[in-house]
Amino acid sequence: LAKTTQPISMDSYEGQEVNITCSHNNIATNDYITWYQQFPSQGPRFIIQGYKTKVTNEVASLFIPADRKSSTLSLPRVSLSDTAVYYCLVGAFLFTGGGNKLTFGTGTQLKVEL
Amino acid sequence: NAGVTQTPKFQVLKTGQSMTLQCAQDMNHEYMSWYRQDPGMGLRLIHYSVGAGITDQGEVPNGYNVSRSTTEDFPLRLLSAAPSQTSVYFCASSYSSRAGNTIYFGEGSWLTVV
Repeated sequence: LAKTTQPISMDSYEGQEVNITCSHNNIATNDYITWYQQFPSQGPRFIIQGYKTKVTNEVASLFIPADRKSSTLSLPRVSLSDTAVYYCLVGAFLFTGGGNKLTFGTGTQLKVEL
Repeated sequence: NAGVTQTPKFQVLKTGQSMTLQCAQDMNHEYMSWYRQDPGMGLRLIHYSVGAGITDQGEVPNGYNVSRSTTEDFPLRLLSAAPSQTSVYFCASSYSSRAGNTIYFGEGSWLTVV
């Protein structure tokens, strides 16, 4: 099970681009990288998922270098409503015959100010 | 558009009491799981299920039981509540595909054991 390391917290201002990097040195060949967002008093919500290179959707981009030992979540032009905890998860299928289980670390608390 | 539904939302128990947290999903997902989240910490996996009739332990299973008699339901039982089980509990469901997997979370159940 790949362990991930993220910054504990980050601060930003509205309109700026925010990049949160996650380290996962022992990522396995079959592992995907997934990011979740959690607001206070709510369950985490899926943001984006990727395997290699770059993935983009309507809310974020995910950059994964060739060695896949790290990944960067990029949030363009953040607003106050992006203040949340962001979790980086690395793993294969959630539950496989081999017992792979995704676990959440402490995440990165992003605070966006005016 | 129910997704993952958890009940109750809030519960106060006395030490030694038992109770069941209910979880239901309407997305026909194979995989379901229970997490707990303590203040300032990430989510920790309690138990999970890969399908009806199949369950297994996660990271912190002690003091909790689960069963999966149907695809839709995955109740979590506290047999003899302890103050250390005061936490927020999240139920989740997911499917797997060649593109990885996405976890859908419920809104959480706040449990206080006094």
